Amino acid sequence: GAVVSQHPSWVICKSGTSVKIECRSLDFQATTMFWYRQFPKQSLMLMATSNEGSKATYEQGVEKDKFLINHASLTLSTLTVTSAHPEDSSFYICSARAPGDEQYFGPGTRLTVT
Amino acid sequence: AQSVSQHNHHVILSEAASLELGCNYSYGGTVNLFWYVQYPGQHLQLLLKYFSGDPLVKGIKGFEAEFIKSKFSFNLRKPSVQWSDTAEYFCAVTKDSWGKLQFGAGTQVVVTP
Repeated sequence: GAVVSQHPSWVICKSGTSVKIECRSLDFQATTMFWYRQFPKQSLMLMATSNEGSKATYEQGVEKDKFLINHASLTLSTLTVTSAHPEDSSFYICSARAPGDEQYFGPGTRLTVT
Repeated sequence: AQSVSQHNHHVILSEAASLELGCNYSYGGTVNLFWYVQYPGQHLQLLLKYFSGDPLVKGIKGFEAEFIKSKFSFNLRKPSVQWSDTAEYFCAVTKDSWGKLQFGAGTQVVVTP
């Protein structure tokens, strides 16, 4: 199957700083990427959908100015958590897909805000 | 509100036992249904999917699922589990093929030797 990577796999940042998470499709061109958030022992919650070259579409309740998503190329999408707070601590997972194909998931990024 | 419910949060069973995980959804109209698996330390992988046709679908690693439209259910089954089936299993639903997924809460399955 296709491979999706995320970097970093684990990050600790101080409250008030920003942190960027990268999601890459390694062996296919991803026209659409999705960003999910997963709290401990809970399900994945879709945060936003990004299509290459377009602005991301955010789910209800997700602050677009806080979670900046850029899908600048067919193999890379980034999620920037701005002015992070402890309540932003979570596991962030991306997925990527080519048209008509399934979503392939990245391994996730553990964010801890101190 | 649209939702996806998984009945069991945690299941423990012995090798060779049969497994059935329940999934119900509350969407109206046509839906596409998925089961994903996440092995310890690994990313989510697709086990099987239902788009249309035969409501009994077979996936990888001996798993199958049955779509029962009247019950809004898509239960996952495996006749005889192995220790390597220890993982977290997620049911997911979308209205548009491979589009936005709504996940259930997940079921942690532990298979003991």
